[in-house]
Amino acid sequence: GQQLNQSPQSMFIQEGEDVSMNCTSSSIFNTWLWYKQDPGEGPVLLIALYKAGELTSNGRLTAQFGITRKDSFLNISASIPSDVGIYFCAGENTGNQFYFGTGTSLTVIP
Amino acid sequence: NAGVTQTPKFQVLKTGQSMTLQCAQDMNHNSMYWYRQDPGMGLRLIYYSASEGTTDKGEVPNGYNVSRLNKREFSLRLESAAPSQTSVYFCASRFGTDYNEQFFGPGTRLTVL
Repeated sequence: GQQLNQSPQSMFIQEGEDVSMNCTSSSIFNTWLWYKQDPGEGPVLLIALYKAGELTSNGRLTAQFGITRKDSFLNISASIPSDVGIYFCAGENTGNQFYFGTGTSLTVIP
Repeated sequence: NAGVTQTPKFQVLKTGQSMTLQCAQDMNHNSMYWYRQDPGMGLRLIYYSASEGTTDKGEVPNGYNVSRLNKREFSLRLESAAPSQTSVYFCASRFGTDYNEQFFGPGTRLTVL
């Protein structure tokens, strides 16, 4: 299968700090997505990116679709305690196949 | 709307037993998916159904079968469970391909002894 490498694996930050995480792939994707998963629940979509170079914001979240179509990053500004969770990147090719990264576990210290 | 629902929430099986995981969505979505999530790993696609009446293999289909019973329901069957199938299983759906968000169910935690 296609590998999505997500880094860092985990982050411990102080409330109010900014967060940055990224995802790289050996393959090209047509769509990049970022999800957040809370314990015991399914992932929830945060941001979807559909064009190479696209920069999209959703509140305090900003994500970019890399020019090479093989990478993406997610930034969270001014973190708050409810940002705690696991963040996953995912790539979609034509044909309905989704591939997920291994996740970044975020802990926000009040 | 309930969104995507999954049953059961928890299940323990012995090696060799069979079971079916149920998934239903009430959003009139055309496409449905089954994933598994193992510790420290992202979700991996098992099977998907792009539309009613069609199913296709994902990244890790071995040991599983699926049925798209109707537009609302997509079930996942383990014919002879193995310890390697211990995982959390998520069902998801979306309206169609292209520019549509996937909505996930709450998951089924399966342990195979």
